[in-house]
Amino acid sequence: KAGVTQTPRYLIKTRGQQVTLSCSPISGHRSVSWYQQTPGQGLQFLFEYFSETQRNKGNFPGRFSGRQFSNSRSEMNVSTLELGDSALYLCASRSTTVNTEAFFGQGTRLTVV
Amino acid sequence: QQPVQSPQAVILREGEDAVINCSSSKALYSVHWYRQKHGEAPVFLMILLKGGEQKGHEKISASFNEKKQQSSLYLTASQLSYSGTYFCGTEGGGADGLTFGKGTHLIIQP
Repeated sequence: KAGVTQTPRYLIKTRGQQVTLSCSPISGHRSVSWYQQTPGQGLQFLFEYFSETQRNKGNFPGRFSGRQFSNSRSEMNVSTLELGDSALYLCASRSTTVNTEAFFGQGTRLTVV
Repeated sequence: QQPVQSPQAVILREGEDAVINCSSSKALYSVHWYRQKHGEAPVFLMILLKGGEQKGHEKISASFNEKKQQSSLYLTASQLSYSGTYFCGTEGGGADGLTFGKGTHLIIQP
């Protein structure tokens, strides 16, 4: 079956702009989590959605938001972009919310200039 | 809160063994291990559930000590294909989801 699909793969934005990233999970998976990956910081948890509800949230400012649709597809939005937001954003799909393996997408590489 | 991994990096010769440690300050329900190769997405290796069970297959195994909130990943007789960054992820049943450490960079040389 198809894996996790993230679009777009690459983005270049200017400081102050906003951006929306998309993630389509594996068919049947209802949990989608988002992570920010930067060198030296590992995978930092942004938030998790399950059945259109945000279940968990990491320690990121309110400029980072997300949502999940009824078909489990998820979007992540970052407003008022800062240079420090440049990172690889990964989404992970799981069949349930706990104790199951996560399947990662290839990520969206965001560069803020 | 991110789990803490050690070491940050390790360089081995092919055939040598490696141990990567992961510790958390909170009570854990499960520990996950993933490997990420350069330019690729992290790939699941294994999950250990509360109960201290040791899991693994072939030359990669792991243990989970729930009392100490620690897990270790064991790579035996390492192969060149084991190179990459290893992440442990933890779930504690709270509102912080599946949280990953900063990773351990493993380089296997011929």
